[in-house]
Amino acid sequence: SAVISQKPSRDICQRGTSLTIQCQVDSQVTMMFWYRQQPGQSLTLIATANQGSEATYESGFVIDKFPISRPNLTFSTLTVSNMSPEDSSIYLCSVDRTATGELFFGEGSRLTVL
Amino acid sequence: AQSVTQLGSHVSVSEGALVLLRCNYSSSVPPYLFWYVQYPNQGLQLLLKYTTGATLVKGINGFEAEFKKSETSFHLTKPSAHMSDAAEYFCAVTQGAQKLVFGQGTRLTINP
Repeated sequence: SAVISQKPSRDICQRGTSLTIQCQVDSQVTMMFWYRQQPGQSLTLIATANQGSEATYESGFVIDKFPISRPNLTFSTLTVSNMSPEDSSIYLCSVDRTATGELFFGEGSRLTVL
Repeated sequence: AQSVTQLGSHVSVSEGALVLLRCNYSSSVPPYLFWYVQYPNQGLQLLLKYTTGATLVKGINGFEAEFKKSETSFHLTKPSAHMSDAAEYFCAVTQGAQKLVFGQGTRLTINP
């Protein structure tokens, strides 16, 4: 298993502002994944973050809206930019330690945009 | 591309009754299949997984699932429900080390 810490655990933000979510893993991992879970919905992959390269975004997600950093093998950040109420979601960081697709998840960051 | 369909967004059973959560998948190659559980205000926790080998897999908390290739199914069962099983359950599929695709989730309610 992996210990994954996310900060903040929850936040309430104003429309038009930006928020950066941090994800810290207790050991080195190659790939980190950022997911969004909108209220009452399933998980949707935002992007895959590899250390030393640009993040790979899924269809419907763009770097200007969700910039991601991956400065080393244990840390990543996701920024939600120019927020609107539609961005109110849980954002989850995850890692793949087994190369089988099995993911370990952080506790998530619950974001409410007013 | 792979996809997952969970039949029933909400399942309600009595404490002590059988739990059956249905999952069907679509994949062009042999899939890796997973069940995750999400308790209120928490992240996701792996219940069990199928990659290769035995098609009946056992997980934590008394859950098990059977991979049936002919039916493209991976249903989750537990013989006797406990109040602590109340949660959201997600079936997911991937092809090797590709991205994980989740189903819509099934909310399990346990009645006393």
